[in-house]
Amino acid sequence: AQRVTQPEKLLSVFKGAPVELKCNYSYSGSPELFWYVQYSRQRLQLLLRHISRESIKGFTADLNKGETSFHLKKPFAQEEDSAMYYCALRNSGGGADGLTFGKGTHLIIQP
Amino acid sequence: EAGVAQSPRYKIIEKRQSVAFWCNPISGHATLYWYQQILGQGPKLLIQFQNNGVVDDSQLPKDRFSAERLKGVDSTLKIQPAKLEDSAVYLCASSPDRDSYNEQFFGPGTRLTVL
Repeated sequence: AQRVTQPEKLLSVFKGAPVELKCNYSYSGSPELFWYVQYSRQRLQLLLRHISRESIKGFTADLNKGETSFHLKKPFAQEEDSAMYYCALRNSGGGADGLTFGKGTHLIIQP
Repeated sequence: EAGVAQSPRYKIIEKRQSVAFWCNPISGHATLYWYQQILGQGPKLLIQFQNNGVVDDSQLPKDRFSAERLKGVDSTLKIQPAKLEDSAVYLCASSPDRDSYNEQFFGPGTRLTVL
């Protein structure tokens, strides 16, 4: 069965410091991974997907198949980055493509 | 474009009562998902529709939960009878189609409290 693990429930860093949110996955096939973010009083929304290899709001994430990881990084945290972050793995098989989410990491950026 | 709409936003019921949630996806989106998010957890997929057909309901507790998507647009999720452990936020999401890396667009959720 596929699984997504986010080991940190809460991560607090100071503004301007680097940020790394950890995500590990368990999946037998070729994984398709995403980071979703939920800002206070807003909807869950896509931050980035690994296939795009893009940088969104200064965040990047690299898929490491050897370590089965997809950590989210940002070199200099900003206060507006404070939010809940969820790592997600796309289900596959039989036409299904729902997401398996981790438990989330609450990121707090202190001024 | 208008986002995914859900109603009601909040619902409080007693255990053993029944409850229904409604979702209106983004216009033209063929795929619709219902997720359950228990406090402190990530969302968990309950059911996925492609147009009005069920693609995946492997995690739906079918003894008490049911869902339908008539005419391939709006969807309703029902719980009957509710248990205390059903207290959660129920999220609806939609996507243009079943395709790799398609973004899922989430609604605001319905927060259910079962007393």
